[in-house]
Amino acid sequence: DIQMTQSPSSVSASVGDRVTITCRASQGISSWLAWYQQKPGKAPKVLIYPATSLQSGVPSRFSGSGSGTDFTLTISSLQPEDFATYYCQQAYTFPRTFGQGTKVDVK
Amino acid sequence: EVQVLESGGGLVQPGGSLRLSCAASGFTFSSYAMSWVRQAPGKGLEWVSTVSGSGGGTYYAESVKGRFTISRDNSQNTLSLQMNSLGVEDTAVYYCARNSDGSGKNHFDFWGQGTLVTVSS
Repeated sequence: DIQMTQSPSSVSASVGDRVTITCRASQGISSWLAWYQQKPGKAPKVLIYPATSLQSGVPSRFSGSGSGTDFTLTISSLQPEDFATYYCQQAYTFPRTFGQGTKVDVK
Repeated sequence: EVQVLESGGGLVQPGGSLRLSCAASGFTFSSYAMSWVRQAPGKGLEWVSTVSGSGGGTYYAESVKGRFTISRDNSQNTLSLQMNSLGVEDTAVYYCARNSDGSGKNHFDFWGQGTLVTVSS
C-alpha cells in the first residue's frame, strides 16, 4: 500500500498568514493527488485535483504543487473560513490512501 | 444538482450486520464509480470500498475484505454497503462519495453528509 504522510499534524496561524502543508507518498504517484478540506461535522470538500489543479469554485488563495512523491498545499492568505482540517489522498492505485490530516487552528 | 444521501446507520452489537444505502441524484449514476469512505470518531479518513459504474469491478480495503460487500442498482440510482461481522473498530461515520470520472485514477468529488455506525454491546 502507498503510505501518505502529512506534516505538520497541526498548525496554529492567524488570519492573513501564509500556511503550507506537505504530503509525502511512500512511492511515486505522478500527479495523482487530491487535497480535501474538512470542517467539524461536515463532509470533506475537494480543493485540488490533480496535484496542481484548483477545483471549480475554490478560492485562488489555495494552490497545490509537486509531483512524484512530494506535494504541497499552500494557503496564501488565511481567511477565517479556512480554519479546518486538510487531507491529502493518492488516486494512483488501490487501496486509496489518505494522509493523517493537518489541523489548521487559531493562533 | 449532484446529491448523494446516505441512510441505514445505527447501533449494532459486535458480530452483527448492517446495510447502508446511498441515494444519488443529479447525474447519470451509471457513468460514475462510487465509493464508501469512513471516519472513526476523532480520527482521519479511511477509504473502504469502490464499485465501478457498471458494478462489475469492486475494490476493498484490507480491513473490510471478506466482511463488507459493495453493490449498486443503476436502475434505482442507489449504492449499498452490506457490512457483516462488525467489530468495534468499524465504528465510524460512513460517507458515500462519487468518484470524479470513469478513469482508474479519480478522486471523490461529491460526498454525502455521512451516516453514523456504532458497534457496541
